[in-house]
Amino acid sequence: QVHLVESGGGVVQPGGSLRLSCAASGFTFSTYGMHWVRQAPGKGLEWVAIITHEGSIDYYAQSVRDRFTISRDNSRNILYLQMNSLRGGDAAVYYCVRDAGTSGTKYYMDVWGEGTTVTVSS
Amino acid sequence: QSALTQPASVSGSPGQSITISCTGTSSDVGAYDYVSWYQQDPGKVPKLIIYDVNNRPSGVSNRFSGSKSGNTASLTISGLQAEDEAEYYCSSYTRRSTLVFGGGTKLTVL
Repeated sequence: QVHLVESGGGVVQPGGSLRLSCAASGFTFSTYGMHWVRQAPGKGLEWVAIITHEGSIDYYAQSVRDRFTISRDNSRNILYLQMNSLRGGDAAVYYCVRDAGTSGTKYYMDVWGEGTTVTVSS
Repeated sequence: QSALTQPASVSGSPGQSITISCTGTSSDVGAYDYVSWYQQDPGKVPKLIIYDVNNRPSGVSNRFSGSKSGNTASLTISGLQAEDEAEYYCSSYTRRSTLVFGGGTKLTVL
């Protein structure tokens, strides 16, 4: 069964850093592009970043560019999101999401994790 | 990249059809046929219901359909059922190689 399990969320002060992880199972992780999507409390979905299946290419939403870094370890089936210089507006549930394409991005998302919560507060 | 524009809410009675619009620009919705739609029940994770403008994943009811004209995509739900009450989000690929979501539409089944 396909599974994505996020971890690493928590409370962090403004300006602080946090690294989220997403453990994938039940599919060939190395053949799928992966996304991070976030949802602030009571708000809509916001796409954050994508990394290609082999990890060579990544793109970011303008709101997080130069502060967040998406990466992956295909030998361990783990996706990461390094978040630096965190702001109040970054507080959200962060979802790890699989792109539907194998060995090529399809730009839609077919499997979602349950999410991990990031709170930014002093 | 601004969010795609969706109506905040729509409503309909059981058995009726409703349409949710998703308006973008020539740099996203109008540029590619990479529009997808997601359904999110309260407290649940989103579920893919339409991809590539008008394709349904296996297991999604054929009451859900999608279309696109110019910079506006649309999701139509026919034969409305109580279980369709949820939040709906559109998404599009953009010329910057990023993705963008709409602000979401709350569907109420009267």
